[in-house]
Amino acid sequence: EVQLLESGGGLVQPGGSLRLSCAASGITFSSYAMSWVRQAPGKGLEWVSSISGSGGSTYDADSVKGRFTISRDNSKNTLYLQMNSLRAEDTAAYYCAKAYCSSTTCYYFDYWGQGTLVTVSS
Amino acid sequence: EIVLTQSPGTLSLSPGERATLSCRASQSVSSSFLAWYQQKPGQAPRLLIYGASSRATGIPDRFSGSGSGTDFTLTISRLEPEDFAVYYCQQYGSSPRITFGQGTRLDIK
Repeated sequence: EVQLLESGGGLVQPGGSLRLSCAASGITFSSYAMSWVRQAPGKGLEWVSSISGSGGSTYDADSVKGRFTISRDNSKNTLYLQMNSLRAEDTAAYYCAKAYCSSTTCYYFDYWGQGTLVTVSS
Repeated sequence: EIVLTQSPGTLSLSPGERATLSCRASQSVSSSFLAWYQQKPGQAPRLLIYGASSRATGIPDRFSGSGSGTDFTLTISRLEPEDFAVYYCQQYGSSPRITFGQGTRLDIK
């Protein structure tokens, strides 16, 4: 059974930093691209960042580019999101999601974690 | 960036009725890259439909997807009480540039 378990959320002041983690089990973690998707309170879903299975390629939404860094440690089956220069508008539940991909491209998210809440407030 | 617009914003129906949810893209989307998700309060999204029309594992056959190009539809043939939730369409663009629709809330009438 595939399980994705996020951690690391909490309350942080504007301008502060936080690192989220997502521990994966039930999959050969290094074989799969992974992503972070967030959801502000009462709002819809927003893609944040993606990383290839090897970790060699990363992609970010314009809203977080230069502030957030996605990474992974395949030896620990763990995905990370380093969030710097946090703003009030970054307040959201952050989900990690596994992408279903072929050898050349990805299509959709087939597994999601339960999310971790990040609140940016003074 | 491809914008996905879902309609209606809220749909109020009774159990047993048929639900039709729309997702319109600002430019053509390959059907292979169009998915639908269901989200219940306090839960993570769950994959329902991928490739515009293929049901994910364990999804009942009352859920069906259709469409191509810029117009896609999610249909729930006969609503069950557990189907009342928020539904999102999503396209997995190149680069990638992944976008979601704003969601359709399906309420019990």
